[in-house]
Amino acid sequence: DTAVSQTPKYLVTQMGNDKSIKCEQNLGHDTMYWYKQDSKKFLKIMFSYNNKELIINETVPNRFSPKSPDKAHLNLHINSLELGDSAVYFCASSQGRQANEQYFGPGTRLTVT
Amino acid sequence: DAKTTQPTSMDCAEGRAANLPCNHSTISGNEYVYWYRQIHSQGPQYIIHGLKNNETNEMASLIITEDRKSSTLILPHATLRDTAVYYCIVRVALKGAQKLVFGQGTRLTINP
Repeated sequence: DTAVSQTPKYLVTQMGNDKSIKCEQNLGHDTMYWYKQDSKKFLKIMFSYNNKELIINETVPNRFSPKSPDKAHLNLHINSLELGDSAVYFCASSQGRQANEQYFGPGTRLTVT
Repeated sequence: DAKTTQPTSMDCAEGRAANLPCNHSTISGNEYVYWYRQIHSQGPQYIIHGLKNNETNEMASLIITEDRKSSTLILPHATLRDTAVYYCIVRVALKGAQKLVFGQGTRLTINP
């Protein structure tokens, strides 16, 4: 059973489009995260939700909007995609707000052309 | 944010112990040290974490110096599947939450 799953695995789209990435975890965790890993392989946190409440919101363009319909799901919507948005996006989950042992999904490779 | 410094790359022979060092000289007294690894094209995987005392689990051991300014991750019997980028991370406290700040990591290659 996949603990943290993401869809789609690959996403190729043109500049200016709007796209969404979905994440689901079946671990019963109450906290979920979105990370971005750029071409230089730096992994940086973007957002975190605890029980559907936004608790971490890093300096991210407001074209990026996370949505958590319930504590098992955290989706990422991106408006007006730009070339610089090309990266691998990872979802993760953990129990509690303390960023304890996090379980990561397989990643979504977004390519903006 | 507390910063960590790791060697860019390391090599280790299969079957030997791999010792990965990390410097975190600006760490605060209540900040934890975490280790994750990322095998090519996969999501990062949690390995171990600690505050002051040495820790051991089924994957690795973590040795933290008494002044807490550095630590070493030990993989006791490295296998080819341990080839990965290893991240040493200091957990950073925010208002009402904590976050992990990933650095560049050490690319560990296990050689047959």
